[in-house]
Amino acid sequence: EVQLVESGGGLVKPGGSLRLSCAASGFTFSNAWMNWVRQAPGKGLEWVGRIRPKTDGGTTDYAAPVKGRFTISRDDSKNTLYLQMNSLKTEDTAVYYCTTYDRGYFDCWGQGAQVTVSS
Amino acid sequence: QSALTQPPSASGSPGQSVTISCTGTSSDVGGYNYVSWYQQHPGKAPKLMIHEVSKRPSGVPDRFSGSKSGNTASLTVSGLQAEDEADYYCSSYAGNNIVFGGGTKLTVL
Repeated sequence: EVQLVESGGGLVKPGGSLRLSCAASGFTFSNAWMNWVRQAPGKGLEWVGRIRPKTDGGTTDYAAPVKGRFTISRDDSKNTLYLQMNSLKTEDTAVYYCTTYDRGYFDCWGQGAQVTVSS
Repeated sequence: QSALTQPPSASGSPGQSVTISCTGTSSDVGGYNYVSWYQQHPGKAPKLMIHEVSKRPSGVPDRFSGSKSGNTASLTVSGLQAEDEADYYCSSYAGNNIVFGGGTKLTVL
């Protein structure tokens, strides 16, 4: 059974940093395209970014609102996905979901990690 | 403002059919057969219901179906049941990014 478990969420001040982790199991993580999707309180879903497997170059893409501030990485030896968030803004407050990805869709989702940016 | 346009709400009585639209452009919905739909109950993670316009993952009831015409995709829920009451989001591949609709709250009357 595919499982994705996010951790590392919390309260941080504007301008601060936070790193989320996503522990994956039940599939071959090293071959998987992985994404982060977020949802602000009472709002819709927003794609944050993705990372390709090393066999596809291991490269990343980001949504415009987070480009230059967020970094997605992976540790295939630990089956773990990361989201490093720097220069956080109040508008980054959201639940952040780790997802698997295949041919344009997000097939499995974690339970989400709450990130609150507030002074 | 979301990249894809969905009606904010839809409703139907048990047993009826409801269709939710999702309008984009030729750069997303119209340009690729990579439209997907997600169901989200309050406080829960989204769940994939339809991918690649009309394909249902294993375990999703065949009451859920998807289609596309030009720049507009649609999700149809037939034989509405109480448990179908939820928020529904469409999504489309758009080259180097993925775009979502603003979501539609489906109410089963």
